[in-house]
Amino acid sequence: GQNIDQPTEMTATEGAIVQINCTYQTSGFNGLFWYQQHAGEAPTFLSYNVLDGLEEKGRFSSFLSRSKGYSYLLLKELQMKDSASYLCAVHNFNKFYFGSGTKLNVKP
Amino acid sequence: DTAVSQTPKYLVTQMGNDKSIKCEQNLGHDTMYWYKQDSKKFLKIMFSYNNKELIINETVPNRFSPKSPDKAHLNLHINSLELGDSAVYFCASSQPTGSDTTNEKLFFGSGTQLSVL
Repeated sequence: GQNIDQPTEMTATEGAIVQINCTYQTSGFNGLFWYQQHAGEAPTFLSYNVLDGLEEKGRFSSFLSRSKGYSYLLLKELQMKDSASYLCAVHNFNKFYFGSGTKLNVKP
Repeated sequence: DTAVSQTPKYLVTQMGNDKSIKCEQNLGHDTMYWYKQDSKKFLKIMFSYNNKELIINETVPNRFSPKSPDKAHLNLHINSLELGDSAVYFCASSQPTGSDTTNEKLFFGSGTQLSVL
């Protein structure tokens, strides 16, 4: 089976840095994707990792360790608009398997 | 222009009814999907079509029948609706790139919130 775990909810302060972890156990692996989903809206693509290491994209960075089945999304200089759910997804052949998402609450 | 559009956005209906959700993408992608997001926000794949052909059917009850008239459209018809079908249904598309998945990200429609009473 496919298993993707993320914390259910996190809270952080505006301007701070937050790290959202994702661990996975899947039968195959073609890449790991992070999506952002605001309440009542569709998920939108944030970042992906195919190889081990850190990918940086403005205020967002994502890290992958394939040997450990582990990834994290790092959000810097948090803004109120970053309050959303963050979904970790493993791409395996033709399928994307999603975690249940981490709801991030950014407070002033 | 919206890349992936699905209608309706909200659907409220009685148990036992039959309903359809339509999806269209103008991205020129070959692959389209239906995902179901339950109350716990867990996104689960239901179906995937590549160039009008079914390639993934994730043990979804046969009351759910997808139809792809062309590669830009993937509709979902649901027969004999049940209370447990209440969820948000997302259509999505992607462009397969073979062994390189760097551009194979999903583009989602805005979702259809289905409420079965």
